[in-house]
Amino acid sequence: KNEVEQSPQNLTAQEEEFITINCSYSVGISALHWLQQHPGGGIVSLFMLSSGKKKHGRLIATINIQEKHSSLHITASHPRDSAVYICAAHTDKLIFGTGTRLQVFP
Amino acid sequence: DTAVSQTPKYLVTQMGNDKSIKCEQNLGHDTMYWYKQDSKKFLKIMFSYNNKELIINETVPNRFSPKSPDKAHLNLHINSLELGDSAVYFCASSQARADTQYFGPGTRLTVL
Repeated sequence: KNEVEQSPQNLTAQEEEFITINCSYSVGISALHWLQQHPGGGIVSLFMLSSGKKKHGRLIATINIQEKHSSLHITASHPRDSAVYICAAHTDKLIFGTGTRLQVFP
Repeated sequence: DTAVSQTPKYLVTQMGNDKSIKCEQNLGHDTMYWYKQDSKKFLKIMFSYNNKELIINETVPNRFSPKSPDKAHLNLHINSLELGDSAVYFCASSQARADTQYFGPGTRLTVL
């Protein structure tokens, strides 16, 4: 069992749908990262959070430290949101989840 | 201006060869990393350097040798390449160990 689990593995949505991607971890962390990997391969850091909630545009990330769980939400999804979303637990290093492949159709 | 750059972007080579991948960051960060992404797209840390000192070596075969000539550069040299080394290798940097990481574009290594 991975120390960082994500669900779902694959997600298909229609444009404008509200998207939720979940991440559970079993290790002690200093922070939880959400990353986006574009179809072209590039990786971008979306959020780093250690408590509560962060928002950037249509993206919202939440974390519950007691439950060792984080969620990434995308409001009003758009085809350009299609990517792989990866959560990573920050211990003394990043431990990555297996990623969630999101496809948003017009 | 590219923040974290890697060269080459693609590398195709024969088994048994030795190759290097270079990484440079112009962000003034103190910490740099090498990650490997396998064919199933799973990312794993290989090495981390802080101010040119090795701080993480994640049970990587000793055919892999990172070298940090200065804070802005972290190169990866691989000896005696094997088929299983085929992967995408990402370099990243952060201001401190617990900070947001900025990733390079990746180097796709194919060993034939």
